[in-house]
Amino acid sequence: DSGVTQTPKHLITATGQRVTLRCSPRSGDLSVYWYQQSLDQGLQFLIQYYNGEERAKGNILERFSAQQFPDLHSELNLSSLELGDSALYFCASSVAVGGETQYFGPGTRLLVL
Amino acid sequence: EDQVTQSPEALRLQEGESSSLNCSYTVSGLRGLFWYRQDPGKGPEFLFTLYSAGEEKEKERLKATLTKKESFLHITAPKPEDSATYLCAVQAYNNNDMRFGAGTRLTVKP
Repeated sequence: DSGVTQTPKHLITATGQRVTLRCSPRSGDLSVYWYQQSLDQGLQFLIQYYNGEERAKGNILERFSAQQFPDLHSELNLSSLELGDSALYFCASSVAVGGETQYFGPGTRLLVL
Repeated sequence: EDQVTQSPEALRLQEGESSSLNCSYTVSGLRGLFWYRQDPGKGPEFLFTLYSAGEEKEKERLKATLTKKESFLHITAPKPEDSATYLCAVQAYNNNDMRFGAGTRLTVKP
């Protein structure tokens, strides 16, 4: 158990819908990272927040957005969902802003029908 | 652009048969190289972090090494429970994201 929690574990929705994935980092970690893992793309970095502020952006679509709240939990919002958004979404956390080990949560499996 | 290439894509070993997994990387200023283990449908589990060429780290049957161009994950006398996908990732000084390789899927047969 990494100490990172993610909810929900599974999510089934329809195309065009909007969903919110939630992540709570390990106690004491200030950075939260979001990743997408699909069969054909591997593990892709989406976005990083550090202490409430966006610090790095990867291959995140404009339909996706994230935020980190004062209690340091983070939410990833996915809107106008497409079939291709079906994937595992992982959250990871680390102590500081970069260079440290990232600890991953168990993931949310999203299925868009 | 930062790149990480892992080989082989898949590896089948007999229990007790030692081998090595390779991670070749291209990065502008390596901040750290990370090894993770991932079981199907689960989150990556942290194994090692290496920061500079020549560094080595060990944990049970696993040993990770680092050069300026690649890293190896050596598995000594593997057991069936070592079966998993092993992921390598790099982080550069000029950004905060981690670039992952596609992984090596290891199967250890009893």
